[in-house]
Amino acid sequence: KAGVTQTPRYLIKTRGQQVTLSCSPISGHRSVSWYQQTPGQGLQFLFEYFSETQRNKGNFPGRFSGRQFSNSRSEMNVSTLELGDSALYLCASSLATGSKSSPLHFGNGTRLTVT
Amino acid sequence: GNSVTQMEGPVTLSEEAFLTINCTYTATGYPSLFWYVQYPGEGLQLLLKATKADDKGSNKGFEATYRKETTSFHLEKGSVQVSDSAVYFCALSVSGGSNYKLTFGKGTLLTVNP
Repeated sequence: KAGVTQTPRYLIKTRGQQVTLSCSPISGHRSVSWYQQTPGQGLQFLFEYFSETQRNKGNFPGRFSGRQFSNSRSEMNVSTLELGDSALYLCASSLATGSKSSPLHFGNGTRLTVT
Repeated sequence: GNSVTQMEGPVTLSEEAFLTINCTYTATGYPSLFWYVQYPGEGLQLLLKATKADDKGSNKGFEATYRKETTSFHLEKGSVQVSDSAVYFCALSVSGGSNYKLTFGKGTLLTVNP
């Protein structure tokens, strides 16, 4: 079974630009979550989608947005990039069966560098 | 709110040494607890989990016991290998109905020398 796939693996952008990151969950997983990982703040929850609806949102500005498609694939968009947005962005999928013990399965991440 | 506190690293051990990484938590509600591991250049992999008090999660020689009375979930391994070198994250979830929202600790870098 294929794991969570994130594309691209690396991105370099300039301040003020926007960027779109893509995530394909494990087949059959309907929940997709996004996390930002930085050396200073660690892992922070961005948002979670289930059946094309955002169910949870972390404490990030409106420049960070996402969406989920009918095939459960998800995209994350960051507009008006700032230097502080440089991070590893991780996508995770879950069965979301209603059991809180159902684990998250992470992709290898997209490394975004803003210059 | 919810929070996870891990012992600060880095931790450097010799092969076959005993490992303990401390983790304590604060949570509203009854959390599930997890340990994730991140190898260089990769995403996070679930190492083990526990969903109720006194549960012991185990995998690949690693163990952690859910201690509700001390709000702790310490990770242990009796004999580490060079291949265990990675960053270890303790995490919890109290999301109702699912665990899609995890709160992570800062991570502990473990280096095992031959």
